[in-house]
Amino acid sequence: AQSVTQLDSQVPVFEEAPVELRCNYSSSVSVYLFWYVQYPNQGLQLLLKYLSGSTLVKGINGFEAEFNKSQTSFHLRKPSVHISDTAEYFCAVSTGYSSASKIIFGSGTRLSIRP
Amino acid sequence: DTAVSQTPKYLVTQMGNDKSIKCEQNLGHDTMYWYKQDSKKFLKIMFSYNNKELIINETVPNRFSPKSPDKAHLNLHINSLELGDSAVYFCASSHDDRGSGNTIYFGEGSWLTVV
Repeated sequence: AQSVTQLDSQVPVFEEAPVELRCNYSSSVSVYLFWYVQYPNQGLQLLLKYLSGSTLVKGINGFEAEFNKSQTSFHLRKPSVHISDTAEYFCAVSTGYSSASKIIFGSGTRLSIRP
Repeated sequence: DTAVSQTPKYLVTQMGNDKSIKCEQNLGHDTMYWYKQDSKKFLKIMFSYNNKELIINETVPNRFSPKSPDKAHLNLHINSLELGDSAVYFCASSHDDRGSGNTIYFGEGSWLTVV
């Protein structure tokens, strides 16, 4: 069975500083990887995903993530954050694309931006 | 042009009551889900349906009964509500093909408070 670990429950960052949110997964088979963002009192919105191909994936709002198979990681990065990036970020992993494939979510990382 | 819509958004009800949450998607997806997010933001799958057929049924109390009248709708009925049922319930959908990697699209959530 697959699992996802988000090592940091909270990450405080100053505005315009770079940020990295860490995500590690475990799976015995190939995986699909996702990052979702949840703004306060809203649903989850897809930021980016890795399905195959280039290990560096670019998403919306200037975010990017790098798939590292040897380290089983999929860390999310942004070179310069804005106040509007304050939200909860979830890493997720799936081992398939069929309806029977479960998508497992990490416990979330709260990104708080200080002015 | 809402993709995944669920109603109601907020629901406050007394213990012991029965309530329903409705969900509809206009994305043409084959699979629909119900997720529960607890007070610590942990997100856990409850059910998934593919073309009206139950695919995933996690260890959820049988007071929770999903109903899918067609592949665009998945409703959640909860009997004899308990305090511990207070949470945010997210409906979601996905298209089963390798190209999308089972990417999930979420509704805005239904905030259920049991008093």
